[in-house]
Formats: sequence, C-alpha cells, structure tokens
Amino acid sequence: NAGVTQTPKFRVLKTGQSMTLLCAQDMNHEYMYWYRQDPGMGLRLIHYSVGEGTTAKGEVPDGYNVSRLKKQNFLLGLESAAPSQTSVYFCASRGGQLAVVEQFFGPGTRLTVL
Amino acid sequence: AQSVTQPDIHITVSEGASLELRCNYSYGATPYLFWYVQSPGQGLQLLLKYFSGDTLVQGIKGFEAEFKRSQSSFNLRKPSVHWSDAAEYFCAVGAEKYSGGGADGLTFGKGTHLIIQP
Repeated sequence: NAGVTQTPKFRVLKTGQSMTLLCAQDMNHEYMYWYRQDPGMGLRLIHYSVGEGTTAKGEVPDGYNVSRLKKQNFLLGLESAAPSQTSVYFCASRGGQLAVVEQFFGPGTRLTVL
Repeated sequence: AQSVTQPDIHITVSEGASLELRCNYSYGATPYLFWYVQSPGQGLQLLLKYFSGDTLVQGIKGFEAEFKRSQSSFNLRKPSVHWSDAAEYFCAVGAEKYSGGGADGLTFGKGTHLIIQP
C-alpha cells in the first residue's frame, strides 16, 4: 500500500513550457486535492475533485488545469509555465465526505520555472 | 471567509523542554481543526484533529491540543520535546467553504518552524 504518490519529484521548466504532474492513490479515495506550498504562505488549494470525472476550483486555480479520468489519478497541468508557479506541489486524498476525515498527502513535487 | 493564524514563524526550544505552538482560527460555525507536521523534504503527516466532544485532543508522537472556543484557539502542546520533533507545523481548518458538501480542502496557517536546541 503506497498511499499517495507523486510524479515527478523535481522538475525545472523554462517560461512558457508545459507539463503535467501526476498524483496517484491506492486507497480507493473519492476526494483528491492539489495544493501549492510557498515560503511563508502555508498550503493553498489549487483544484480538487469529488470523484471520477469531476473537478472544481480552489483558492488559487489560475494558470492550472486538472483532470480526473480515473478514480485513482488526479493530474495537474500547467499549459504555459510562469516563474510565479515556482513552488512545491502537494497532492492529497480523502476517503470520506465529511470535512473531518483525514487527508493523506503525497511527498510533493518541487517545480522551478526559469 | 475562514482563516488560520499561526503567530510564531519560528520557535526554538531546548531538548526536553515543553512546547506550545499557537493557532487561532476564524470561522462562523464549529470548525474542524487539524495539526499537521512536515519534516524536511517530506509530505504532511496528521498529528491530531478536533471536530466535536472533548476539547483536549490526544495525537501521535506525544502531542496534544486544546480547543478553546472562547479564544478561537487550538494550540498544540508537548510536555518534553525530542530532537526528532524539529519540523514545520501547520494548523488547518476544514469546513464547507467551496461546495457546501464537505468535499473541499483545508485552509492552512502559514506554519511554525520548530528548532530544537541540544
């Protein structure tokens, strides 16, 4: 049982390039989330999904797109990367509907945009 | 809108000393409150959570937290810290902010960096 995994762990992009971050969970969780973590800012929610085929915007969605074609995977895309998107990206999943249910986090992807 | 404030950016504690990390929240209804720990280069691990009932919550690794509604606080405590407790600590509140269906994410504080002195 690997929990939540993220691919890749590190990536360096040039401004304007595109990329996709992959999040996978093997816990059969319905809910999945993408956060970004910036120094002194804590974690901020980018997008989330309440089930296969559904996505919704979080606090800071601009510049990102997401897809949830399979229940176990949640993809985060950057169509045209900008230096402001340099950050550490965390994926999380949750098994229950109630907000009190624990979110399990992946190890993170460190992205640098030059 | 809900918010979480962690007033201390950095805290330095001697090994074996007691610890208290502060967290204040702003939310209109009863919040769901969490403390997470992040070791260097790692993801976040849940220490404990509060959603109802006993206001003193026990967590893993010897941590506890007390919910005080009158002060809108959820402070994290540990009676004796170990060098391995050095990490970033995040307080978070969960609520039905976005969809109303309880499926939304968490609102995090900016974190407190804990340094342990030998």
